Amino acid sequence: EVQLVESGGGLVQPGGSLRLSCAASGFIFGDYFMDWVRQAPGKGLEWVGRIRNKANSYTTDYAASVQGRFSISRDDSKNSLFLQMNGLKTDDTAIYFCARDITHGAPGSYWGQGTLVTVSS
Amino acid sequence: DVVLTQSPLSLPVTLGQPASISCRSSQSLVHTSGYTYLHWVQQRPGQSPRRLIYKVSNRDSGVPDRFSGSGSGSEFTLKISRVEAEDVGIYYCVQGSHWPPITFGQGTRLEIE
Repeated sequence: EVQLVESGGGLVQPGGSLRLSCAASGFIFGDYFMDWVRQAPGKGLEWVGRIRNKANSYTTDYAASVQGRFSISRDDSKNSLFLQMNGLKTDDTAIYFCARDITHGAPGSYWGQGTLVTVSS
Repeated sequence: DVVLTQSPLSLPVTLGQPASISCRSSQSLVHTSGYTYLHWVQQRPGQSPRRLIYKVSNRDSGVPDRFSGSGSGSEFTLKISRVEAEDVGIYYCVQGSHWPPITFGQGTRLEIE
């Protein structure tokens, strides 16, 4: 069974930093692109960024709203995905979901349960 | 960036009746590969999202056959043949044909009337 479990959320002051983790199991983690998606309170889904797999050089892409502040990395040996968030703003308050390739062109796109990040003074 | 526009944004439906959600793109979603990476995601109240339909019309594993997707180019539709209580939630279209960025529609809230 595929599982994605996020952790690391919490309350942080504006300008602060936070590192989210996502533990994956039930599939060959290293084969897949991985995404972070967020959802502000009462709002829709917003793609945050993506990291490709080793075959695609682990390259990353980000939404314009987080470019230069957020960084995605992965450790395939530990089946783990990370989101380093720096320079946090109140607008970054959201539930952050990790997901297995949300635009995968084959069956099986999975999402975690999410972790809440609150940016407030 | 590709803009996805969903309609309606709110959809009250009687149990057992059909429902239909439209998703229109600001540009054709046909990828250079020839495939169209337009998908549908369901988010039930208090739950994380799950994908229902991939590449316009293919159901993901475990998705009931009352859900179907159709469309081409820049106009797409998600249909539910007979709405059940468990279908309450918000439905999003999402595109991966022209990224970054991956973009979502605004979401359509389906409720039972």
